[in-house]
Amino acid sequence: DVKVTQSSRYLVKRTGEKVFLECVQDMDHENMFWYRQDPGLGLRLIYFSYDVKMKEKGDIPEGYSVSREKKERFSLILESASTNQTSMYLCASSVAGQAAYEQYFGPGTRLTVT
Amino acid sequence: TQLLEQSPQFLSIQEGENLTVYCNSSSVFSSLQWYRQEPGEGPVLLVTVVTGGEVKKLKRLTFQFGDARKDSSLHITAAQPGDTGLYLCAPRYAGKSTFGDGTTLTVKP
Repeated sequence: DVKVTQSSRYLVKRTGEKVFLECVQDMDHENMFWYRQDPGLGLRLIYFSYDVKMKEKGDIPEGYSVSREKKERFSLILESASTNQTSMYLCASSVAGQAAYEQYFGPGTRLTVT
Repeated sequence: TQLLEQSPQFLSIQEGENLTVYCNSSSVFSSLQWYRQEPGEGPVLLVTVVTGGEVKKLKRLTFQFGDARKDSSLHITAAQPGDTGLYLCAPRYAGKSTFGDGTTLTVKP
């Protein structure tokens, strides 16, 4: 059974803290993605990676960075958390290529920044 | 900038009713996917449509891709409480997926 796991389901952090969200997939997928999901705004792509140590900015990368040191692991970093980063964060993975591909999602991390 | 709209935003119906939700854009899609997201979980792929005019069926769900590849619809026959969730369309433009805001469906027993 394919699986994408995220390190926490719920997280509460203070403004200014450095926050790490971890994502691991066991499907040997080349592509990995980080999205945030907010009511009325849908899923917005923050960053994606198509290979180890490779990353591309998505639609809303400001305030975030990512790290992909191993193929199965993709980390999202909030260098200095702010209240407007309170959101649901979803990680996904997929096979490589330009054809329509299925994205497999993790269960999400609901982050609250106070 | 592509304009992507899903409608209705919210839908609450009784078990056994039929419904249709829509995904519309100002741009032509190379393909389109529909996902369902249940509360507390990530989205799960339901179907991928690629050809204009294509119709795909998944049990009680019927997916249609518009002839011009700018729109899609999802029809559910005899809805059940297990169909409750957020339905997201994800068209692909220029090799990149974009997700709509979704339709939140509640099916009451």
